[in-house]
Amino acid sequence: EIVLTQSPATLSLSPGERVTLSCRASQSVSNYLAWYQQKRGQAPRLLIYGASNRATGIPARFSGSGSGTDFTLTISSLEPEDFAVYYCQQRSDWPPTFGGGTKVEIK
Amino acid sequence: EVQLLESGGALVQPGGSLRLSCAASRFPFSNYAMSWVRQAPGKGLEWVSAISGSGGSTFYADSVKGRFTISRDNSKNTVYMQMNSLRAEDTAVYYCAKFVGTSGLNWFDPWGQGTLVTVSS
Repeated sequence: EIVLTQSPATLSLSPGERVTLSCRASQSVSNYLAWYQQKRGQAPRLLIYGASNRATGIPARFSGSGSGTDFTLTISSLEPEDFAVYYCQQRSDWPPTFGGGTKVEIK
Repeated sequence: EVQLLESGGALVQPGGSLRLSCAASRFPFSNYAMSWVRQAPGKGLEWVSAISGSGGSTFYADSVKGRFTISRDNSKNTVYMQMNSLRAEDTAVYYCAKFVGTSGLNWFDPWGQGTLVTVSS
């Protein structure tokens, strides 16, 4: 199965800062990558699909890029509600797999 | 707005069985594949199973193959997960999610609120 490795595991940042999260695949997944945000005690929410397409209702400060094996989720300026755990996910091959997550916490 | 509402989570003994349900509304249910994803306490997300819109195709993670069975009733807009031979490592919040996209490019959106399954004696 395709392994997704997210880095770093934790980021400590302040509101207003720019955030760059990484997701690396063990083999090419083309652009078949999605990103999710999960806040404490809540279900995950889709942010990005197809590596760079924002889901409906997602603010423009969230952007995704990359293809093949290296992907990035960028938050241009952190808002207080953005402190959460972020997961990447692929379905280029079965089974669908998720990265281990990156926690963005308040510094 | 699409709604997914899971139910059926409970405390069950190892070796026991449980059936989860996910009631969907506000979208053409039979047109979409559905999936279950779980999250063990304090851990990440793990895909468990998926079913096509017609119910004719099913897919399972190796960790549950042969023990879990996914099914759907399109007349009731509901997807099910029959869980047998439960183990402690099956303890998790189980999320139902709409499985969107085309071959290869698939994602989960939206997700239900989850239902907790605890396997313990």
